[in-house]
Amino acid sequence: DAGITQSPRHKVTETGTPVTLRCHQTENHRYMYWYRQDPGHGLRLIHYSYGVKDTDKGEVSDGYSVSRSKTEDFLLTLESATSSQTSVYFCAISEVGGRQTQYFGPGTRLLVL
Amino acid sequence: GESVGLHLPTLSVQEGDNSIINCAYSNSASDYFIWYKQESGKGPQFIIDIRSNMDKRQGQRVTVLLNKTVKHLSLQIAATQPGDSAVYFCAENMSKRSNDYKLSFGAGTTVTVRA
Repeated sequence: DAGITQSPRHKVTETGTPVTLRCHQTENHRYMYWYRQDPGHGLRLIHYSYGVKDTDKGEVSDGYSVSRSKTEDFLLTLESATSSQTSVYFCAISEVGGRQTQYFGPGTRLLVL
Repeated sequence: GESVGLHLPTLSVQEGDNSIINCAYSNSASDYFIWYKQESGKGPQFIIDIRSNMDKRQGQRVTVLLNKTVKHLSLQIAATQPGDSAVYFCAENMSKRSNDYKLSFGAGTTVTVRA
C-alpha cells in the first residue's frame, strides 16, 4: 500500500460522538486525500491537502473536517458522527508534478450506530 | 468477456480468455486517466495510466485504450487469471487548474473469473 497506513482499521461508534481517523505516509508526498466508498457511489472525495496546513474541500465535505500539521499525517474528523457516515474511508497520496497517480491506503471501516 | 458502459457493473469471464472493461468519461478536458483494481477488503491498487496525448498504453498483460472522440476508455486484460477477480475502477483528472490533482472515479466493474 505504498507506505500508507490508516488507523484505526475498524471502528464502531455511536451517533453524536466525535471520531478521528488518521492517515500516515512514509513517502514524503505532498498531496493527501480522504475518500469515502459506499455501494453504488464508488469513491467520493471528502477533503484533500496540497501541503502542510493547506487543505480544501471535496465533493462530500459536509460533516467532516481535516488537519495536516505534518507532511506525513492527515487527520479526518467527524465532529458528531451520524449513521449516514457509516462507510469505508480511504486515504490516498500523490506526488507533485506531472503524474497524478494516487496511491491508496488499506482503508478504515467505520460503523456509526 | 466485455462490459459496456457504466451501467453494466459486472463481467464474468472464463479463465484464460481476454477481458475488456469499458468506461465512459464525462469531461472532454480531462487529460489523465487511471485504472485501479480493488480486491475485497483492500484499497484500490494502481494498474496503469494514460495521458490524453496517447491512444494506447501497454503494461504487463494489460492494455489501456483511449478514444477521446467518444470519451471512452477501456482496459484489456490478456489471459485472465483467477487473481484478476476484483472491482476495476477508471478515474479521470477533472481538475481545471494545472496544479490540482483531484480525480473523479467511476462506479466500478466487478470482474469474476470462472475456472
